[in-house]
Amino acid sequence: EVQLVESGGGLVQPGGSLRLSCAASGFTFDNSAMNWVRQAPGKGLEWVSGISDSGGDTYYADSVKGRFTISRDNSKNTLHLQMTSLRVDDTAVYFCAKPGSGRSFTPFDFWGQGTPVTVSS
Amino acid sequence: EIVLTQSPGTLSLSPGERATLSCRASQSMRNNYLAWYQQKPGQPPRLLIYSASSRVTGIPDRFSGSGSGTDFTLTISRLEPGDFAVYYCQLYGSSFSFGQGTKLEIK
Repeated sequence: EVQLVESGGGLVQPGGSLRLSCAASGFTFDNSAMNWVRQAPGKGLEWVSGISDSGGDTYYADSVKGRFTISRDNSKNTLHLQMTSLRVDDTAVYFCAKPGSGRSFTPFDFWGQGTPVTVSS
Repeated sequence: EIVLTQSPGTLSLSPGERATLSCRASQSMRNNYLAWYQQKPGQPPRLLIYSASSRVTGIPDRFSGSGSGTDFTLTISRLEPGDFAVYYCQLYGSSFSFGQGTKLEIK
């Protein structure tokens, strides 16, 4: 059974940093691209970042480019999102999502339950 | 950058009725790389349709997708109580973009 379990969310002040993690199981992690998608309170979905199966290619939404860094540890089946220079409008639930095909930029067939991030003073 | 616009914002229907949700792209999508998701409160989204019209395994055939170019439609025939949720369309292929969502509510 595929499982994606996010952790690391919490309350942080504007300008601060936070590192999210997503523990994956139930599929061959190092054969799959992975993504982060966020959802601000009461709002729609926004793709944040993606990474290829090897970790060699990374992709970012313009809204987070230069502030967020996606990475993965295939030996530990874990995906990370390092978030720096956080802003109030980064407040959202952050979901880890895997593509059904395993390839980058393909639809997400499985999502974690999400971890909430609140940026506030 | 292709922008996806969903309409209506809210759709009020009764169980047993047919729902038609629209997703319009600001530019033509040559490969029809469009997906549809369903999201219920407190849950992550669930993939329903990909490649505009291909249904994910396990999704009831009451759900169907159609369209090409710039205009895409998700149709839900014979609404059931569990179908009332928010639906998002998603562009994929060389980038990702989501529509703003359509809330399907019980009338």
